[in-house]
Amino acid sequence: NAGVMQNPRHLVRRRGQEARLRCSPMKGHSHVYWYRQLPEEGLKFMVYLQKENIIDESGMPKERFSAEFPKEGPSILRIQQVVRGDSAAYFCASSLYPSGGTYEQYFGPGTRLTVT
Amino acid sequence: RKEVEQDPGPFNVPEGATVAFNCTYSNSASQSFFWYRQDCRKEPKLLMSVYSSGNEDGRFTAQLNRASQYISLLIRDSKLSDSATYLCVVNIQGAQKLVFGQGTRLTINP
Repeated sequence: NAGVMQNPRHLVRRRGQEARLRCSPMKGHSHVYWYRQLPEEGLKFMVYLQKENIIDESGMPKERFSAEFPKEGPSILRIQQVVRGDSAAYFCASSLYPSGGTYEQYFGPGTRLTVT
Repeated sequence: RKEVEQDPGPFNVPEGATVAFNCTYSNSASQSFFWYRQDCRKEPKLLMSVYSSGNEDGRFTAQLNRASQYISLLIRDSKLSDSATYLCVVNIQGAQKLVFGQGTRLTINP
C-alpha cells in the first residue's frame, strides 16, 4: 500500500530552464495538493486539484507556474524559466475526500529543487 | 500579520523534561487544528488533531482555546526521538488548504 510518491526527489536546474515535478497520490485518492517550503520557513499552499480540474490555485504565483492532474497519470507541477528564488522543497499531498480539515492529507517525500 | 504564528525556537531541553509549544492563529473562520511533526529534510507527518475539549495521546497533550485563537502542545517525559520541528497547522472553513506556521525547532539533549 504505497504512500504518496514524488519524483524526482532532487532536481537541479539552471536559471531559465523548465522544472517538472511529478506526484502520484495514494491509491484511491483523487484530491491532490501542492505546497512549497522555502528554506527556514513553513509550508505554503500552492494549488488544489481533483482529476482534470484545478479547484483552488490561490497560492500559485501568477506567472511561470502551472499544475495539472490528468485523468490518467500523476499530477504535474511545472515551473517555466526557473529563477534562483524558486529553489525550495515542493511537497505534494493527497486525500481520499476533499480535505476540509476532516480528512487527513498525506504528504509525499518532496522534491528538492535547486536552481543554479 | 501571519495567519499562523509560532515561536521559531530553537528549544533545547534535556531528555525527560516537559516542553510546551504555543501557537496563535488570526483567522476566526479556522475550523480544524493540527500539530504536525517534520524531521530534517523530510515530509511533515500528522502528530495529532486538536479539539476544543483538549486531547491527549500518550506523552502528548494538545489544547485549543477558540476565544483566544490559541493552540498549545505539551510533550511530557521528552525522548531523544522527539527532536524535530513541530508545525502548527489550521484549516479555514470552506477551504481545502492547510495553513502552516513556520514551525518550532526542538532538540532533546541526552
